[in-house]
Amino acid sequence: NAGVTQTPKFRVLKTGQSMTLLCAQDMNHEYMYWYRQDPGMGLRLIHYSVGEGTTAKGEVPDGYNVSRLKKQNFLLGLESAAPSQTSVYFCASSYSALRKEQYFGPGTRLTVT
Amino acid sequence: GQQVMQIPQYQHVQEGEDFTTYCNSSTTLSNIQWYKQRPGGHPVFLIQLVKSGEVKKQKRLTFQFGEAKKNSSLHITATQTTDVGTYFCAGGEYNAGKSTFGDGTTLTVKP
Repeated sequence: NAGVTQTPKFRVLKTGQSMTLLCAQDMNHEYMYWYRQDPGMGLRLIHYSVGEGTTAKGEVPDGYNVSRLKKQNFLLGLESAAPSQTSVYFCASSYSALRKEQYFGPGTRLTVT
Repeated sequence: GQQVMQIPQYQHVQEGEDFTTYCNSSTTLSNIQWYKQRPGGHPVFLIQLVKSGEVKKQKRLTFQFGEAKKNSSLHITATQTTDVGTYFCAGGEYNAGKSTFGDGTTLTVKP
């Protein structure tokens, strides 16, 4: 099992450009999450999904959109990137509402210039 | 909304000393999880506690969940350089699809 994978690993964008980050999990988990982590800071929840076809806003959703068309995939989109979105983005998944332990992907390091 | 606070923010210890980090929630939790993130890495799940007053051990690590299910602690006995990293707690509320992470405690160990 690959666990949770993220694509790409690194990306540099210019202000105003758009991109999509892909997260895939092969553990049949119901729940998936997108976090951002700024240098020396904790994890802030952007959006999450409690099942295929569902999404919900987290703590810092502005400037991001998500989609969960397939159970195993969770996409994070930046429509018009801003320097404030420079961060490391982590995707995570968990099995259910009772088994909340989250398994994280390796992260995507995004720089917006 | 729910808030989860962790203290201390940083802890510097000499190898062999003990270390403890504390996690406090503004609301009653259904469960709490602990994660470790090595420098440059991603968070890795350590353990989940679900019962009031629960205590679990993993080798030199001892995890406790408070009686009121609003606080938790992680204690490391006789730290080693391999314990270096940031330790996060995450509290899950009842009927919530997400957990709220604390800001973490960063541990450095001097050989």
